[in-house]
Formats: sequence, C-alpha cells, structure tokens
Amino acid sequence: AQTVTQSQPEMSVQEAETVTLSCTYDTSENNYYLFWYKQPPSRQMILVIRQEAYKQQNATENRFSVNFQKAAKSFSLKISDSQLGDTAMYFCAFMKEGGSEKLVFGKGTKLTVNP
Amino acid sequence: EPEVTQTPSHQVTQMGQEVILRCVPISNHLYFYWYRQILGQKVEFLVSFYNNEISEKSEIFDDQFSVERPDGSNFTLKIRSTKLEDSAMYFCASMAFRQFFGPGTRLTVL
Repeated sequence: AQTVTQSQPEMSVQEAETVTLSCTYDTSENNYYLFWYKQPPSRQMILVIRQEAYKQQNATENRFSVNFQKAAKSFSLKISDSQLGDTAMYFCAFMKEGGSEKLVFGKGTKLTVNP
Repeated sequence: EPEVTQTPSHQVTQMGQEVILRCVPISNHLYFYWYRQILGQKVEFLVSFYNNEISEKSEIFDDQFSVERPDGSNFTLKIRSTKLEDSAMYFCASMAFRQFFGPGTRLTVL
C-alpha cells in the first residue's frame, strides 16, 4: 500500500518570502502522479500543482513549484513570494496510474503567512 | 471551469438516522469518488465508482454505507444508521486527468 508522509505539522513564513513544504511517499509503483492540494479555512480542496512521475522536469504553476526526486521518493512544494492568501493547510497526495485510482493523502502541513 | 457540486453544504442529524449526501459530478467524467475528512485530520478515501459499480472501497466503507448513481447525473452517498464518529466533511470528486473536488458536505451527528 502507498503511504504519504508530511513531517512538518506546522510552518510559518513572512509575507514575500519563500517557504518549502516537505513530502515523502512510499510506493513500489513506477507510474504514478503526485499532487499538492491547498485547503483554506473554507475546507474546499484546491489543486495547487500536479506532477507525473514519468516527467523529469519539475512542475511549476506561477509562484508554486515542486522539487520531485523520484529515486528518493520526495516531492516538496516551494512557495515563492508568499502571500497572506497562501495561509492554509497543504496536503500532499499520491495516485497510482490507472482508471479509477484513488488519492492517498498525507496528514497535511498548516502554513501561516505572517504580515 | 466546470465544477463538482454537493448538497447540502451542512447536514445535522441524530444518531441512528439515515442521511443521503448528494453530488453532481462534472458531466462527461467517468470516475467518481467519495472521501471524508474528520476535523483536524487528513482526507481519507471511502469509495470509487465507475461504470455504475464500485471499483474500490476502503475499510471505512462498511455495510452502513452505499453509493448510487440513480439518474446519470447525481452521485449519492447514503449512510444508513449514522454514528457519532461519522461526523466529518464528506467530499465528492470526479476525474478526468485529475480529480476535481466538490466543496464538501459537513455532516454533524448528534
């Protein structure tokens, strides 16, 4: 079974600075997808970024980028130029490749951006 | 962008009562899911559904739970006899390339 570990329960960063959230996972699969989801106080699940395991290039979405290390099974999220609106829970998630595969989530990191 | 919708946004029920949580997935999506999140905890998979049948279910998804796609658009989760520990946020998701989540239904069992 796949597992996802987020070792930082809480983090804080000053506005405009950069922060990195850690995620490791365990799987015997070779083809899979990794995701970061943001959950603000409204509890809506918002996709931040998606990475296909077969792609060596790290995904980027504006201020969000990942450092995907397949051999190390590591998938960290970097948020640049942090904004107050980035304050939220961030969940790392794994999904096997396939038709109806489920998402397996980590326990989350609570990020606070301070003014 | 198309959205997954869920109703109601908040449901309060008495222990032992049946509840039905409703979801309208994005049209032309083929894979549907229910997840739950107990307050302060991680999001947990309950069940996946494809081609009008369950593809996979977790240990949480016991005989008290059932899912249905009654009319080709709605996707429902029924809990037959609710327990206090069923209090959680329930998320529906549908998938094409990635999973799109609905806004969730907060279920409170008293």
